[in-house]
Amino acid sequence: GAVVSQHPSWVICKSGTSVKIECRSLDFQATTMFWYRQFPKQSLMLMATSNEGSKATYEQGVEKDKFLINHASLTLSTLTVTSAHPEDSSFYICSVDRGLGEQFFGPGTRLTVL
Amino acid sequence: DAKTTQPPSMDCAEGRAANLPCNHSTISGNEYVYWYRQIHSQGPQYIIHGLKNNETNEMASLIITEDRKSSTLILPHATLRDTAVYYCIVRVPNTGNQFYFGTGTSLTVIP
Repeated sequence: GAVVSQHPSWVICKSGTSVKIECRSLDFQATTMFWYRQFPKQSLMLMATSNEGSKATYEQGVEKDKFLINHASLTLSTLTVTSAHPEDSSFYICSVDRGLGEQFFGPGTRLTVL
Repeated sequence: DAKTTQPPSMDCAEGRAANLPCNHSTISGNEYVYWYRQIHSQGPQYIIHGLKNNETNEMASLIITEDRKSSTLILPHATLRDTAVYYCIVRVPNTGNQFYFGTGTSLTVIP
């Protein structure tokens, strides 16, 4: 399967700061990536679809100005949490769609906002 | 929105088969059934998927009923490392089609 990495694996930041999370497809050129977040003891919630070279598509209820997504190359998508607050603390996971049906997920990034 | 229902939790004795059910009564004709699992604090791992025929790979078997309204994931010889949350998802396998996760089944393999 596709190899997907995320960086950082965890981050702690102060309230009001912005945090950038990177998702890389290491062995596949991905035109589409997805971003999810997962709160403790809950399921994954799809946040947005990241499209290479165009604007991301956000799920209902996800603020596009707060969660900035950039998919500037076929191997890299970034999620920036702007003006982070404690309620944004979560596990953020990206995935790569290889077009074969399966999605391959990154290891996740745990964000803690103090 | 998730279109599947799964029991919230199950236990299985180590070495025995784990049978995880999933109901997807509103599945469309072109939707596949996918199974993923998530070990604590990791990203989900792909297990298997199928359309209507039973499928088997090195990890598991997938049994889909003839009417396709339900399926069962079978782990033939469960080990402690199989303890995870298992998600059943239905989706049309086109690029860009999203995965919507339900609540999944938390499987605990007991020594």
